Amino acid sequence: DAMVIQNPRYQVTQFGKPVTLSCSQTLNHNVMYWYQQKSSQAPKLLFHYYDKDFNNEADTPDNFQSRRPNTSFCFLDIRSPGLGDAAMYLCATSREPGGTYEQYFGPGTRLTVT
Amino acid sequence: GNSVTQMEGPVTLSEEAFLTINCTYTATGYPSLFWYVQYPGEGLQLLLKATKADDKGSNKGFEATYRKETTSFHLEKGSVQVSDSAVYFCAHGGATNKLIFGTGTLLAVQP
Repeated sequence: DAMVIQNPRYQVTQFGKPVTLSCSQTLNHNVMYWYQQKSSQAPKLLFHYYDKDFNNEADTPDNFQSRRPNTSFCFLDIRSPGLGDAAMYLCATSREPGGTYEQYFGPGTRLTVT
Repeated sequence: GNSVTQMEGPVTLSEEAFLTINCTYTATGYPSLFWYVQYPGEGLQLLLKATKADDKGSNKGFEATYRKETTSFHLEKGSVQVSDSAVYFCAHGGATNKLIFGTGTLLAVQP
């Protein structure tokens, strides 16, 4: 089945220690998104890639970076995690950008910062 | 601006009860509308969608109708099951290239 895969499902890192979360997709979609979701809240878009074009949200902290080396993979790098960065991180894809196209979500990576 | 307002939860129902979760939106133009469901510990899954006014999206017994006059997209199900317990997010595809989500409504169905 075509899908969005996130690894690992659970990640523990130390305060200030860089961490990378991974996402891959077999849908061959052009757009890949990273969301942060804290408890009992809606997902918050951090940034997205449309093909190789990176689109950052205005309020995304500089501490969050992303890489998309090819169509299938996208990475979220947190350079110096703080306690406030503990959250569920969701990767999603869509065929094209724009509101008409549904987004397909991965299962998420739950990040704990100690 | 673009926003989505949905009823606050938690909504607690007995099995086989009728479900309504209200959702209204503000947007420029006529965006596509979506309901996503999130089961505990998982990512979001698309439940249903509607792309234009008067369209009805349906899936797994859930329905929602795109009402342009009232800018609403209320989610309904005639008979809920325990397995429907989850968080439900209403969203619209706004003028920018992203989804605008509501705050989510937790549904708890008791046997």
